Amino acid sequence: AQKITQTQPGMFVQEKEAVTLDCTYDTSDQSYGLFWYKQPSSGEMIFLIYQGSYDEQNATEGRYSLNFQKARKSANLVISASQLGDSAMYFCAMRERKTTDSWGKLQFGAGTQVVVTP
Amino acid sequence: DAGVTQSPTHLIKTRGQQVTLRCSPISGHKSVSWYQQVLGQGPQFIFQYYEKEERGRGNFPDRFSARQFPNYSSELNVNALLLGDSALYLCASSLGWGSQETQYFGPGTRLLVL
Repeated sequence: AQKITQTQPGMFVQEKEAVTLDCTYDTSDQSYGLFWYKQPSSGEMIFLIYQGSYDEQNATEGRYSLNFQKARKSANLVISASQLGDSAMYFCAMRERKTTDSWGKLQFGAGTQVVVTP
Repeated sequence: DAGVTQSPTHLIKTRGQQVTLRCSPISGHKSVSWYQQVLGQGPQFIFQYYEKEERGRGNFPDRFSARQFPNYSSELNVNALLLGDSALYLCASSLGWGSQETQYFGPGTRLLVL
């Protein structure tokens, strides 16, 4: 079964506007981590933001914020004041706890392509 | 500080050949993971190493192998290459094996198998 679902294959957003990228996840673990990465056309995966399953506050990093709704198993990324350089593929990923003292692999969604227009 | 480095950046091989990809983690990071990203898809986990021991293996055939060296750098080997092995191979490093370890990725190696 798909662990991470990103339902938006692509979207256009105007410069200076906010954009929300959807991510839902599937896990029976109580302890897990959620990550968002940005991948420009160059290929490098750039870490954006992290949310732990026990974190009560939504994570924020500069223009990035994560709308974490645990009961709905949703971890949407919000990019405020979009810039042309934000054009890239965005991946949501999850890491579940494998054992009490170790964590498993990062599992990625299919990604959402964002194009920022002037 | 230098980020994760990978070599080579691009590689062209023919079917049946063998390839070795290299990765140097961020200084101080002891864990290295390898991912395969086929065009149009998200990365798929191949291996994770921590302190030179394999800590995780994804659903890949035995043609894929890896190791981590005492300096925490890592190599990924793929034998008997198939056309379907053409992909971007990403290496990621993290400080350790803790509960909130963020993985930082390198620029990747683009492998084309002809």
